[in-house]
Amino acid sequence: AQTVTQSQPEMSVQEAETVTLSCTYDTSENNYYLFWYKQPPSRQMILVIRQEAYKQQNATENRFSVNFQKAAKSFSLKISDSQLGDTAMYFCALLTGKLIFGQGTTLQVKP
Amino acid sequence: DTEVTQTPKHLVMGMTNKKSLKCEQHMGHRAMYWYKQKAKKPPELMFVYSYEKLSINESVPSRFSPECPNSSLLNLHLHALQPEDSALYLCASSQGSRGREKLFFGSGTQLSVL
Repeated sequence: AQTVTQSQPEMSVQEAETVTLSCTYDTSENNYYLFWYKQPPSRQMILVIRQEAYKQQNATENRFSVNFQKAAKSFSLKISDSQLGDTAMYFCALLTGKLIFGQGTTLQVKP
Repeated sequence: DTEVTQTPKHLVMGMTNKKSLKCEQHMGHRAMYWYKQKAKKPPELMFVYSYEKLSINESVPSRFSPECPNSSLLNLHLHALQPEDSALYLCASSQGSRGREKLFFGSGTQLSVL
């Protein structure tokens, strides 16, 4: 069975600081993809970053980067220079044919 | 055009009503999805269409009936719903359904069943 676990239901960070959201997963597949999606209060699901399991290099998108530890099945998201617009619920997701989401982490960026 | 468009944005219906949710994309994607999301919870997969054929049905009750008239359009027909079916219904699409493509999501239909 495939599972995704986000152990931090809520987090907060001061504007301009750095925050890391944790995610662990479990799968028996060798070829899979991992994602972080952001869902702001508008409830639009927005893709933040994507990592292909066979690539060792960590994905980066502007202020967003991941720490992908394949052996440990860990996939954390680092947000640098946090902005008020980063306030949202963040979902880690595993794709192996079906997209499976973690329970989500609510991030509040404080001014 | 990189959008998935869902209509209506909000829907209120009684338990005896029949209504439909609509989803449209013009990115040439061949896989389309319906997800159900309760507040503060992750989306739960309901149905997957691949090349206009239903490929996954996650044991969804028959009061939800999906339809894919063509490669750009996906409908979800609703009939005799229960109050616990109130949720955000998200549509998504991807280039294929082989488990390698990223999903693009619509902004959802917020459904309230009275």
